[in-house]
Amino acid sequence: GAGVSQSPSNKVTEKGKDVELRCDPISGHTALYWYRQSLGQGLEFLIYFQGNSAPDKSGLPSDRFSAERTGGSVSTLTIQRTQQEDSAVYLCASSLAQNSFYGYTFGSGTRLTVV
Amino acid sequence: DQQVKQNSPSLSVQEGRISILNCDYTNSMFDYFLWYKKYPAEGPTFLISISSIKDKNEDGRFTVFLNKSAKHLSLHIVPSQPGDSAVYFCAAVDSGNTGKLIFGQGTTLQVKP
Repeated sequence: GAGVSQSPSNKVTEKGKDVELRCDPISGHTALYWYRQSLGQGLEFLIYFQGNSAPDKSGLPSDRFSAERTGGSVSTLTIQRTQQEDSAVYLCASSLAQNSFYGYTFGSGTRLTVV
Repeated sequence: DQQVKQNSPSLSVQEGRISILNCDYTNSMFDYFLWYKKYPAEGPTFLISISSIKDKNEDGRFTVFLNKSAKHLSLHIVPSQPGDSAVYFCAAVDSGNTGKLIFGQGTTLQVKP
């Protein structure tokens, strides 16, 4: 597609429920990143996929968070047993390759609210 | 451990004047620095970058200055325009690592007409 598409744009969920957030990167972009922005905070790195390499999961805050990227394209970020501190805007970005940091294109994000 | 810090959460300037946004970092391995701009309900967009081997990069109204000895960079916008009102994020990358960007907390710039 023309840009990075994220869905849903907004999600309200009850504490303890699982949620899935979806990212459709730009076609042909091999690198995909997930970040989150909590209220009043900067963009916090979560996970990075590059081609067929093992993902860099060093930013995932707990084992309740997981992500996968199927067929080198669409990515899903899953949060199990959501907590109120998980409330944030979750942003996905893609780029042509690793180190194409000039070419990061971000989606508009999914605003997650855990009540 | 906050490796990239933007200590001013907000800045307000008059249209036509200069806006100066500051950023400090702690990791000497960072070799590229970038500024992103974010409007509400949109994703951040790339604005300007600088390599650690340079001390200045200019693109139209936007100039980024890097002081490696002080581990400090700044973004200058001149003249400021109301459309520049947005959140500005400083970011750094160690390209020898995975290449992931490390972002600061952001500074909200308001340019008053």
